[in-house]
Amino acid sequence: GENVEQHPSTLSVQEGDSAVIKCTYSDSASNYFPWYKQELGKRPQLIIDIRSNVGEKKDQRIAVTLNKTAKHFSLHITETQPEDSAVYFCAASMGRQLTFGSGTQLTVLP
Amino acid sequence: GAVVSQHPSWVICKSGTSVKIECRSLDFQATTMFWYRQFPKQSLMLMATSNEGSKATYEQGVEKDKFLINHASLTLSTLTVTSAHPEDSSFYICSATRDNQPYEQYFGPGTRLTVT
Repeated sequence: GENVEQHPSTLSVQEGDSAVIKCTYSDSASNYFPWYKQELGKRPQLIIDIRSNVGEKKDQRIAVTLNKTAKHFSLHITETQPEDSAVYFCAASMGRQLTFGSGTQLTVLP
Repeated sequence: GAVVSQHPSWVICKSGTSVKIECRSLDFQATTMFWYRQFPKQSLMLMATSNEGSKATYEQGVEKDKFLINHASLTLSTLTVTSAHPEDSSFYICSATRDNQPYEQYFGPGTRLTVT
């Protein structure tokens, strides 16, 4: 089955700096790659997603890049704010089922 | 649109008892729903895929006789944890997909189960 690895497990940045989280996947058949933000005790919230026919997607301060050849994708958050502090999960899917990465605890220091 | 609810939001039960968790899609029909378990500081682990009108598909290592899933309608799936033990204490989250949009999953708010 699919295996998704995510790095780093923790990330601290100063407010206003950029944050980058990276994921790799194992199954070349995966074609959908969402990113979720989860606050403590809450549901995962979709923040951005990308399909395999697209190399990059941006939504305001958030962007995702996908390298199908290398089978990795990354989340970029610019101009970080304290409210960006949360756990971020990447995931991969080739249909309905999602396989999640292990998560990254992002802390934005004021 | 695409709202998923779960009930209860939290439950405490005694060891050996059973607990039922409901997952509802409020404004769309969901042929397929998913059940996840999330332990503290860990990722979401898929337990099973619930299909309306048919048996659920369980992931490897998940006991189907312990975690009973019923998807009796296009808007409701239930997870029953039978003979619960303290190690079953976890955050259980369901999700659903729209039939015409199979990729994006809409997550419920989760149910915190504590077994004493």
